[in-house]
Amino acid sequence: LAKTTQPISMDSYEGQEVNITCSHNNIATNDYITWYQQFPSQGPRFIIQGYKTKVTNEVASLFIPADRKSSTLSLPRVSLSDTAVYYCLVGGNAGNNRKLIWGLGTSLAVNP
Amino acid sequence: NAGVTQTPKFQVLKTGQSMTLQCAQDMNHEYMSWYRQDPGMGLRLIHYSVGAGITDQGEVPNGYNVSRSTTEDFPLRLLSAAPSQTSVYFCASSSPGEGRIEQFFGPGTRLTVL
Repeated sequence: LAKTTQPISMDSYEGQEVNITCSHNNIATNDYITWYQQFPSQGPRFIIQGYKTKVTNEVASLFIPADRKSSTLSLPRVSLSDTAVYYCLVGGNAGNNRKLIWGLGTSLAVNP
Repeated sequence: NAGVTQTPKFQVLKTGQSMTLQCAQDMNHEYMSWYRQDPGMGLRLIHYSVGAGITDQGEVPNGYNVSRSTTEDFPLRLLSAAPSQTSVYFCASSSPGEGRIEQFFGPGTRLTVL
């Protein structure tokens, strides 16, 4: 099972771009990289998922280098409402095994 | 769709009591999981199910039982509550698919064991 390492906390200001990097050195060939967002007193919410190169959706971009040992979640022009904990997960549908390891996440604070 | 629902939202138990946390989903997802979240620990997988009648243990299964008699429901049973089980419990569901691990989470149950 691949473990991930990401910064414990980050600070930013409204309107800035925020990049959160996650290390996953022992990622397996069939593993995908997924990011979740969690607000206080709520369950995590899926943000974005990718396998390699770059993925973009309406809320974020995910950059994955060729060796796939790290990934970067990019949040364009953050607002106060983006203050949350962001989790990076690595895993995939290896047969029936859906065990994923959740780290501590990155607590992002967006300041006015 | 209501998505993933959990009841109750809050619960206080005394040591030794038993109870069942309810989880239901209306998205026809085959995969369902139970997690606990403690301060400074992140989410930890308790039990999971890949379909009705099939369950398996996660990272921290001791003290918990699960069953999956229908696709929609995945209750978590605490057999004899202990203070160490004070936590926030999340239920999640997802569809199988190559690499697709987008899980939908419920709002959580905050459990305190005295």
